[in-house]
Amino acid sequence: NAGVTQTPKFQVLKTGQSMTLQCAQDMNHNSMYWYRQDPGMGLRLIYYSASEGTTDKGEVPNGYNVSRLNKREFSLRLESAAPSQTSVYFCASSERTALHFGNGTRLTVT
Amino acid sequence: DQQVKQNSPSLSVQEGRISILNCDYTNSMFDYFLWYKKYPAEGPTFLISISSIKDKNEDGRFTVFLNKSAKHLSLHIVPSQPGDSAVYFCAATYFGNEKLTFGTGTRLTIIP
Repeated sequence: NAGVTQTPKFQVLKTGQSMTLQCAQDMNHNSMYWYRQDPGMGLRLIYYSASEGTTDKGEVPNGYNVSRLNKREFSLRLESAAPSQTSVYFCASSERTALHFGNGTRLTVT
Repeated sequence: DQQVKQNSPSLSVQEGRISILNCDYTNSMFDYFLWYKKYPAEGPTFLISISSIKDKNEDGRFTVFLNKSAKHLSLHIVPSQPGDSAVYFCAATYFGNEKLTFGTGTRLTIIP
């Protein structure tokens, strides 16, 4: 039982490049989330999806887009990466309130 | 505007003693609170939660206390063990809202 799986684990981008972070969960949860973790800032919600086909902005959505491809998968896209997007990104899923997190993607933008 | 605050970035405690991690919140709508534990290179994992109808919830070595009037909660770990060394995040939400608001985290180091 894998839980929440994120790929890739590490990525280095140059400013202006694009990439998609992938997330899949096998717990049949309806809700999925993307958070970023930065030193001194805790975990901040980027985007949220309550169910397949729906997405909502979180606290820090600028510079990101998301796709809820199906119930299992929720991807996060950076269209034009900026150094301010250097962070650790966590995907999570939930059925009620207790979130189940993946192990994160460490992204560096130079 | 930080609605959930953990004012101590770090805490060191001797093995076997009590660890107390604190969390304050400002949003009066919050009625459900959670603690997560995070090891390096891993995602946060759920530890314990408490609803606002209670003032204490216990699970083994972990106890969470809630003081609604002070908008304050604390996590007690007794006795502290080396495996408890991690970053601890408190989080809050309210009924009908699945989105959590997290604090900035406290790094707990247990000294053998």
